[in-house]
Amino acid sequence: QSALTQPASVSGSPGQSITISCTGTSSDVGNYNLVSWYQHLPGKAPKLIIYEDNKRPSGVSNRFSGSKSANTASLTISGLQAEDESDYYCCSHAGSHTWVFGGGTSLAVL
Amino acid sequence: QLHLQESGPGLVKPSETLSLTCTVSGGSITSYNYYWAWIRQPPGKGLEWIGTIYFFGSTYPFSKITYNNPSLKSRVSMSVDTSKNQFSLNLSSVTAADTAVYYCARLISGSGQFFWGQGTLVTVSS
Repeated sequence: QSALTQPASVSGSPGQSITISCTGTSSDVGNYNLVSWYQHLPGKAPKLIIYEDNKRPSGVSNRFSGSKSANTASLTISGLQAEDESDYYCCSHAGSHTWVFGGGTSLAVL
Repeated sequence: QLHLQESGPGLVKPSETLSLTCTVSGGSITSYNYYWAWIRQPPGKGLEWIGTIYFFGSTYPFSKITYNNPSLKSRVSMSVDTSKNQFSLNLSSVTAADTAVYYCARLISGSGQFFWGQGTLVTVSS
């Protein structure tokens, strides 16, 4: 069970769109529609922003969207705002009731 | 409103057992379709799922089943105290590599939704 691969950092300007990738394998990301994404500010509880690959929980801005192609899931944030500056983590079911997370991506809003 | 709070020693000696408790408020730990998980984040690294515990059955005492990260092998054990609405983690034979922020979380397994506590830092050092 290897960690999912995410870019260490991404950046964008206010109003722009950015995409964070999350690459796994055919045993996890590519085999289940169970990729979720979390926004994590240091010292705070991680917050769910996308589940089941592309669903948004109630209360999460529609600027956040999820998608998936084969073994790679993606999180897109449109209309970047300063408050979006945070760490983002993906997670996938990996079979047999196990879960695997990504290494995290630090988003800078320049 | 659901709230999870981790508690336990912030410092553990090498080779000893790390013990943490998660207190759940705003919801019952025996609620149907919810699993309860432990996740950790070593300093400067990503998140790592440690394990999940699930209760089932319609009457007390509930049956439980646990799922652990294979990389942690048999060092992990989890338990529950339904009278206190708490679940716990024990991680044995710790080393410095087990230094991390430890989170407890509620998992809706069928949809992969984790709802997290704020986390607690545990340092392994003599």
